[in-house]
Amino acid sequence: GAGVSQSPSNKVTEKGKDVELRCDPISGHTALYWYRQSLGQGLEFLIYFQGNSAPDKSGLPSDRFSAERTGGSVSTLTIQRTQQEDSAVYLCASTLDRGRSGELFFGEGSRLTVL
Amino acid sequence: GNSVTQMEGPVTLSEEAFLTINCTYTATGYPSLFWYVQYPGEGLQLLLKATKADDKGSNKGFEATYRKETTSFHLEKGSVQVSDSAVYFCALNSGGYQKVTFGIGTKLQVIP
Repeated sequence: GAGVSQSPSNKVTEKGKDVELRCDPISGHTALYWYRQSLGQGLEFLIYFQGNSAPDKSGLPSDRFSAERTGGSVSTLTIQRTQQEDSAVYLCASTLDRGRSGELFFGEGSRLTVL
Repeated sequence: GNSVTQMEGPVTLSEEAFLTINCTYTATGYPSLFWYVQYPGEGLQLLLKATKADDKGSNKGFEATYRKETTSFHLEKGSVQVSDSAVYFCALNSGGYQKVTFGIGTKLQVIP
């Protein structure tokens, strides 16, 4: 498709399990962002990729969170040993423009529920 | 570091009322400013943007003016409709290897 694609759209898991969330950005978009949206918390920045490198991973909440991007395209966000406080909607966005005026294109998100 | 402050809401208005959602920011350099909107059940999408001081962004009857002197980018609409019910996010981008910083989001509910 032409937009940012995220999978799974919904994931229910048990506390302590690992989960992987996938983001397929718009073709040709060099910059990719992960955000977390929790009720009442707005959009929390997690990590930013430019190509395959991550110049800013300052938002990852703990060492249980990691992300990678391969081939300058698909990105995977991995959460190990999930906790209930990890429950949220995880949003991915991409942009062609590394400059300051670029529009972010968002996927519809992956809703994670940790029981 | 960069930050965006916006009213938390929810904001409830009657149809055809005037809307203002306040947004102020703190940033280094000369950021671009954005309003994104998230309709129920949908992903975020760009509503409007302004890239330099005194620029006015506009779309779908919404407007916001980049005010450097007051570091503000307030969203306004003269006459809201039920279909405008959504969550509105103010954001800034300083460019380069910088994250895009979002406000907390303001939920707008328009009642007939």
